[in-house]
Amino acid sequence: GNSVTQMEGPVTLSEEAFLTINCTYTATGYPSLFWYVQYPGEGLQLLLKATKADDKGSNKGFEATYRKETTSFHLEKGSVQVSDSAVYFCALSVRSNDYKLSFGAGTTVTVRA
Amino acid sequence: DGGITQSPKYLFRKEGQNVTLSCEQNLNHDAMYWYRQDPGQGLRLIYYSQIVNDFQKGDIAEGYSVSREKKESFPLTVTSAQKNPTAFYLCASSIGDRWDQPQHFGDGTRLSIL
Repeated sequence: GNSVTQMEGPVTLSEEAFLTINCTYTATGYPSLFWYVQYPGEGLQLLLKATKADDKGSNKGFEATYRKETTSFHLEKGSVQVSDSAVYFCALSVRSNDYKLSFGAGTTVTVRA
Repeated sequence: DGGITQSPKYLFRKEGQNVTLSCEQNLNHDAMYWYRQDPGQGLRLIYYSQIVNDFQKGDIAEGYSVSREKKESFPLTVTSAQKNPTAFYLCASSIGDRWDQPQHFGDGTRLSIL
């Protein structure tokens, strides 16, 4: 089946620290990969995506590279801010699964000033 | 601005009562979804619809019902059969028919038991 495994949280960092959230996946087809962010009390917002191997998605200083050989899509940011405190979800979609998203459990990130 | 509107933001249910959560989108998307999110957990799919007048059960459909009479609207009813309805409910939509396109989410409805 299709599944996403995310690094367990919570993660607590100081401002300007480097952030990595690991995400690995299993998929029955050729997936598209997504990172979503959820701020407190809100819905999910698309942060970035990648649709084929070696693609790099980037947005707001965040980056993730679609690594087919390691079935991974790790999220990174070089210098976090307090405003990056949120829950981050890795997700995948495959054509054979009615285009539904399979989500990871989410990783809570807290950035302290 | 195009987007997804969920209402109400907060909802309270009495024992034995059915309640309906509204979800409207003006993105002209074919597909719509309902998710349930419990504290500290990921999202679980309740129902989804890829076209008007058609919908499918997700992973946790028991105790819920939906309708899709219009492209723009996908209301979710939490019935009295759902014994543990307290959760955050998220509605989403997508172009559908494309696995490389993201889902767009509303701001959610928080349902609590009185």
